[in-house]
Amino acid sequence: GDSVTQMEGPVTLSEEAFLTINCTYTATGYPSLFWYVQYPGEGLQLLLKATKADDKGSNKGFEATYRKETTSFHLEKGSVQVSDSAVYFCALSDAGGTSYGKLTFGQGTILTVHP
Amino acid sequence: DADVTQTPRNRITKTGKRIMLECSQTKGHDRMYWYRQDPGLGLRLIYYSFDVKDINKGEISDGYSVSRQAQAKFSLSLESAIPNQTALYFCATRQTGQNTEAFFGQGTRLTVV
Repeated sequence: GDSVTQMEGPVTLSEEAFLTINCTYTATGYPSLFWYVQYPGEGLQLLLKATKADDKGSNKGFEATYRKETTSFHLEKGSVQVSDSAVYFCALSDAGGTSYGKLTFGQGTILTVHP
Repeated sequence: DADVTQTPRNRITKTGKRIMLECSQTKGHDRMYWYRQDPGLGLRLIYYSFDVKDINKGEISDGYSVSRQAQAKFSLSLESAIPNQTALYFCATRQTGQNTEAFFGQGTRLTVV
């Protein structure tokens, strides 16, 4: 079945540092890819998405490019802020077979940014 | 009001008790989901529903049941709670389609003692 693997966390950075959170996936069809963010005490909310190969999703300074050849969707930000401290989830949605309608998540990566 | 509302927000219950978690949404979406969040395991799908008459098991449905009472309401029940069902539970909804955004409730923190 479909699966999503994220880099081990937690990640701790100083303000204005560069962020990369790795995400790779396994899917039977042609999935859409998402990054969701969870702030403390809240539910998940969509950060960005990409729906086909080579698409780049972007939002709030975050970016991720859909790389079909490496089955990856790494999240990046050039300069993180304290307010970016949260848990980040990579996810996929696949239209094929038994995966129809499902949204599959990775393990989540805890990001802490210090002043 | 929130798009997706979960009740209760926090609950402590005893082993063997039956408990129901409720979810309602105002987005008008067809699809609704129940996930469980555990540290280091991410979100795991318990059940999902495409409409009132279409309910499907997710990857960890054992020990859980659901009811889709209306398009807007999707309840999760633990028939006989056990301690390893202690977790944070999320309800989500999304419109039909592969690319659509999921909207999440704020979660229910359940502790089984």
